[in-house]
Amino acid sequence: DAGVIQSPRHEVTEMGQEVTLRCKPISGHDYLFWYRQTMMRGLELLIYFNNNVPIDDSGMPEDRFSAKMPNASFSTLKIQPSEPRDSAVYFCASRPPGQGAPNEQFFGPGTRLTVL
Amino acid sequence: GENVEQHPSTLSVQEGDSAVIKCTYSDSASNYFPWYKQELGKRPQLIIDIRSNVGEKKDQRIAVTLNKTAKHFSLHITETQPEDSAVYFCAARGGSTLGRLYFGRGTQLTVWP
Repeated sequence: DAGVIQSPRHEVTEMGQEVTLRCKPISGHDYLFWYRQTMMRGLELLIYFNNNVPIDDSGMPEDRFSAKMPNASFSTLKIQPSEPRDSAVYFCASRPPGQGAPNEQFFGPGTRLTVL
Repeated sequence: GENVEQHPSTLSVQEGDSAVIKCTYSDSASNYFPWYKQELGKRPQLIIDIRSNVGEKKDQRIAVTLNKTAKHFSLHITETQPEDSAVYFCAARGGSTLGRLYFGRGTQLTVWP
């Protein structure tokens, strides 16, 4: 298994531009999480999906952020318009189904976003 | 929702010494407590986890203890090695959060040779 796949790995853009981050979860996993990591705020949960349905988006900072999961194998996180304070590493993670073991969240390699 | 506090934020030890990282949680219904290790520039990876029906779990040099009454859990690393240097995150899964984990702020562990 290739694990969670994220693209791009690095993104440099200018303020005001639209940014789209992509994630492919591990096959068979029905939970998908988007996190943002910064030195100041640590690892923050932005939104998570179960069976392609958004369950909790209370961590999305503002209306500039949106996330979709059109099918079980693909999700996007979009920032429009981007701002310098959005600069961070964005991780996608997925988890197998069920409340029993295993509960491990598997993280992707992350996308390092820099907004100039 | 759940609130996880983690201490200390930084920890420096000499190679061969033990390291202990402590976390507290607020939701008494939380039932799953994983620990993740994140090396510089890498993704967080699970190193050990414990369920609420177990008090202690060991895996070679690492162990986790859970005190449900006090609502705290700890990571213990013995015989530390330089390759243990990383950021360690504790997390808790609440009783009704459908798979969501609440993470602590992380502990930067540095092991000096």
